[in-house]
Amino acid sequence: DSGVTQTPKHLITATGQRVTLRCSPRSGDLSVYWYQQSLDQGLQFLIQYYNGEERAKGNILERFSAQQFPDLHSELNLSSLELGDSALYFCASSVGARPEQFFGPGTRLTVL
Amino acid sequence: GIQVEQSPPDLILQEGANSTLRCNFSDSVNNLQWFHQNPWGQLINLFYIPSGTKQNGRLSATTVATERYSLLYISSSQTTDSGVYFCAVTGGGNKLTFGTGTQLKVEL
Repeated sequence: DSGVTQTPKHLITATGQRVTLRCSPRSGDLSVYWYQQSLDQGLQFLIQYYNGEERAKGNILERFSAQQFPDLHSELNLSSLELGDSALYFCASSVGARPEQFFGPGTRLTVL
Repeated sequence: GIQVEQSPPDLILQEGANSTLRCNFSDSVNNLQWFHQNPWGQLINLFYIPSGTKQNGRLSATTVATERYSLLYISSSQTTDSGVYFCAVTGGGNKLTFGTGTQLKVEL
């Protein structure tokens, strides 16, 4: 158990819908990262937050957004869902000084 | 951006055999991690090893940062070692760039 929690574990929804994925980092970790794992793109970095502020952005679609709240949990919002958004979405966290990242169990999103 | 290549892409072993997985990266890194993704999809941290050598039970890893490669050794493999092994690095910044993985199957 990495100490990073993600909910829900599984999510099945329809095209055009909007969903919210939630992540709680390990106690004391200020950085939260979101990654997407799809069959055709592999594991890709989406976005990083550090202590509530956006720190880095990867190949995140405009239909996707994220935020980190004062209690340090983070949410990833995916809207106008398409079939191609079906993937495993991981959250990771790290302490500021050491770059090692710890991953949550992931949310498996299926868009029908 | 930084490129990460892993080899071999696939590996089948008999239980008890040893193996070496390789990760090459295209630029200097400040973080290198090895992960095991089990059949349930969980990404499990194996090593944080930007340089040097570490051991954890039957697993060990070595990173030669000056030559831009890392090796993961699995000894006396077990069926529970099956899954995908990923190497991931960060160059400047903190985003991890993952390799395409080595799919390992350990058979009885």
